[in-house]
Amino acid sequence: DIQMTQSPSFVSASVGDRVTITCRASQGISRWLAWYQQKPGKAPKLLIFAASNLQSGVPSRFSGSGSGTDFTLTISSLQPEDFATYYCQQAKTFPRTFGPGTKVDVK
Amino acid sequence: QVHLQESGPGLVRPSETLSLTCAVSGDSISTYYWNWLRQTPPKGLEWIGYIHDTGSTNYNPSLKSRVTISADTSKNQVSLKLSSVTAADTAVYFCARGSVVGVPASDYFDSWGQGTLVTVSS
Repeated sequence: DIQMTQSPSFVSASVGDRVTITCRASQGISRWLAWYQQKPGKAPKLLIFAASNLQSGVPSRFSGSGSGTDFTLTISSLQPEDFATYYCQQAKTFPRTFGPGTKVDVK
Repeated sequence: QVHLQESGPGLVRPSETLSLTCAVSGDSISTYYWNWLRQTPPKGLEWIGYIHDTGSTNYNPSLKSRVTISADTSKNQVSLKLSSVTAADTAVYFCARGSVVGVPASDYFDSWGQGTLVTVSS
């Protein structure tokens, strides 16, 4: 299985801050990577697919980059509704696997 | 707009079979990939498997011996059965649609049910 790791595990930030989350795959996955946002008690929501493609309806302050083993999710200006946990997921091989998550909370 | 709704018993006894249903509205299950995933605090998000429009299935090897995913096109619903459950199978279970998009193309989980908590306990 491909192992996914994320850093940091927690981010304390304020509204308006630029937030960057990193995801690393245990082996190369080209650009087969997605980012999800999850709020407490809710299902994950797809934000980014194929490393850098914004899912329909997702605000443009979210962006993704990277290829191979190292990827980044950036929130350019954090909004109140962005406080949540973010997960990366590889879509290169089965079984699909997720990172452990990065929680973005209020500073 | 597609809507997915999981349903099933919230409590299952150890060694028994967990059975969940995902009712899909706003889309036909005869297309896309229909996935089951689960989430626990210690293990995080775990992909269980999918069923595809042709009826083909693919399961996580860690669960393959105990999992069956099936589809009922007449009811437009997908089902999950997980046998011989233990406390380790206590989790929130989600169904999710997989859509093939992107370059390079792959399937991503673009629509999710709200999830249902299943507790394994005697």
